[in-house]
Amino acid sequence: NAGVMQNPRHLVRRRGQEARLRCSPMKGHSHVYWYRQLPEEGLKFMVYLQKENIIDESGMPKERFSAEFPKEGPSILRIQQVVRGDSAAYFCASSSGTGSWMNTEAFFGQGTRLTVV
Amino acid sequence: KNEVEQSPQNLTAQEGEFITINCSYSVGISALHWLQQHPGGGIVSLFMLSSGKKKHGRLIATINIQEKHSSLHITASHPRDSAVYICAVGLPGGSNYKLTFGKGTLLTVNP
Repeated sequence: NAGVMQNPRHLVRRRGQEARLRCSPMKGHSHVYWYRQLPEEGLKFMVYLQKENIIDESGMPKERFSAEFPKEGPSILRIQQVVRGDSAAYFCASSSGTGSWMNTEAFFGQGTRLTVV
Repeated sequence: KNEVEQSPQNLTAQEGEFITINCSYSVGISALHWLQQHPGGGIVSLFMLSSGKKKHGRLIATINIQEKHSSLHITASHPRDSAVYICAVGLPGGSNYKLTFGKGTLLTVNP
């Protein structure tokens, strides 16, 4: 049973390009959460999705960022027209329900490190 | 807004030493989590506490709700314990996944 898979592990983009980060949840998990870790900062919640639905996007920047979790395939975090300030590590976590967080049964991926040059 | 402060920011120890990492927070919480982030980035959830103390192997986590403080202890530390340890808290009535994270404590255990 593979864990949460994120790819790519490292991504370099020039300013103005688009970045697509992918997250495949653990088998049997239908809840996906994205977090961002800026340099020298703690992780911050971005968005929570279930299959085909955005449940909570209160942590997403209002512009240039979007997320989806289609019926088939991984969840995608998309950043359009990247800027240097988007350079960060982006982590995805998955669970079988939000209650899993109380049982240490939400699992994180290894993250995608985005560098904007 | 809840602030989460961890200390120390960096900790170097010799193999076998007893390790303590501290976490303080500013407002009431529903739960406190300790996570481990290994070099290369993977994050593992170690504990979830709402009161008292929990133990898994050589790891012990305690929480004092009145003092708004938690500690993570590692007994008989080993180089494989080298990682960043992150404290995170959830607010009462808040969503379980919407945690406030500390900046982490980088632990290096030398052989």
